[in-house]
Amino acid sequence: EIVLTQSPATLSLSPGERATLSCRASQSVSSYLAWYQQKPGQAPRLLIYDASNRATGIPARFSGSGSGTDFTLTISSLEPEDFAVYYCQQRSNWPTFGPGTKVDIK
Amino acid sequence: QVQLVQSGAEVKKPGASVKVSCKASGYTFTSYGISWVRQAPGQGLEWMGWISAYNGNTNYAQKLQGRVTMTTDTSTSTAYMELRSLRSDDTAVYYCAREGSPVDYWGQGTLVTVSS
Repeated sequence: EIVLTQSPATLSLSPGERATLSCRASQSVSSYLAWYQQKPGQAPRLLIYDASNRATGIPARFSGSGSGTDFTLTISSLEPEDFAVYYCQQRSNWPTFGPGTKVDIK
Repeated sequence: QVQLVQSGAEVKKPGASVKVSCKASGYTFTSYGISWVRQAPGQGLEWMGWISAYNGNTNYAQKLQGRVTMTTDTSTSTAYMELRSLRSDDTAVYYCAREGSPVDYWGQGTLVTVSS
């Protein structure tokens, strides 16, 4: 099973700041990596697929990069609605999720 | 628009079974698979398995093999997930999701509580 590690576990930032979230895979997943946002009491929402492609309707402030084992989700300027938990997920092998990064308000 | 609507919350005793439904609309049901993902209270996301709505092929997580069955009814565009021999650590929100490689649309979740 491919293990995904996310860092940091918690990111405390203010609206307008830039957020950089990391996801590392225990072995190469090529570009088969997605990012999801989850707010309390809601289902996850797809943000980025195949490492760098924004899903339908996702604002341009969200961007993804990386390949192989190291990936990054960047939120260029945090909006109030962006404070949530973010999960990376790989589908190279049996799908697995990372443990999540919580972005909270500083 | 694509929608996945799941059945309501369930409370079950240890050893019982639960069957969660997921009704799809807004797309051609047989053109996509359905994945099931669960989330224990305050925890992360766990992939349970996948079913092809086209031909019924399934792929289950090893840890759930023998306890889980995923099926579809193409006449009603509904997917089902049955989990048997429930234990307290099966308490979770269960999500169905459209498998568009990646998963792109999710149901609202169904809370299954296992308690004596």
